[in-house]
Amino acid sequence: EAQVTQNPRYLITVTGKKLTVTCSQNMNHEYMSWYRQDPGLGLRQIYYSMNVEVTDKGDVPEGYKVSRKEKRNFPLILESPSPNQTSLYFCASSLLDRFTEAFFGQGTRLTVV
Amino acid sequence: QQQVKQSPQSLIVQKGGISIINCAYENTAFDYFPWYQQFPGKGPALLIAIRPDVSEKKEGRFTISFNKSAKQFSLHIMDSQPGDSATYFCAASKGSARQLTFGSGTQLTVLP
Repeated sequence: EAQVTQNPRYLITVTGKKLTVTCSQNMNHEYMSWYRQDPGLGLRQIYYSMNVEVTDKGDVPEGYKVSRKEKRNFPLILESPSPNQTSLYFCASSLLDRFTEAFFGQGTRLTVV
Repeated sequence: QQQVKQSPQSLIVQKGGISIINCAYENTAFDYFPWYQQFPGKGPALLIAIRPDVSEKKEGRFTISFNKSAKQFSLHIMDSQPGDSATYFCAASKGSARQLTFGSGTQLTVLP
């Protein structure tokens, strides 16, 4: 089954404790991205990657890091989480020339206290 | 600054009615306009999309209307059903930048 898998689905952490949210896709997609969803703000892109070892900042990259060492994986790293990073996070993947046809993961609900 | 403005924030429609969600944009470099549907607890999924050289696109009960001069586009859901209850996001993209910009979302509730 074609899918984008995020882990964990739910996470509660404390301010400053480094965390990683994993994302993996099995569709051989070149393009992967991370979004955060907040009420009234919709989906905002954090980072995206057009291929292995190629990453670019989206609209809200501050406080986040990503890496793309393998085509299928695109982890999101929060080095020092803060309460304003409490949000619902989505990973998405697509073919590079059809990046608007994104396949989204199930989401990760992150709470930073 | 929201590059794609979406309204209304929430919408309640009776079964069988027409649901209309509107979006407006400023950046004339946008060249593709998809709509995504999100059910509770799920990620968004592509519903329908349109290019600016087309004024209307219909897929089943879902229609996108596009007004290039007004820089507006809208989603119409005909014969709305309770199963259509979801959050809908409009989006826009600039092909050269390979980025999607989303609207703020509309929570649609279709009453039985």
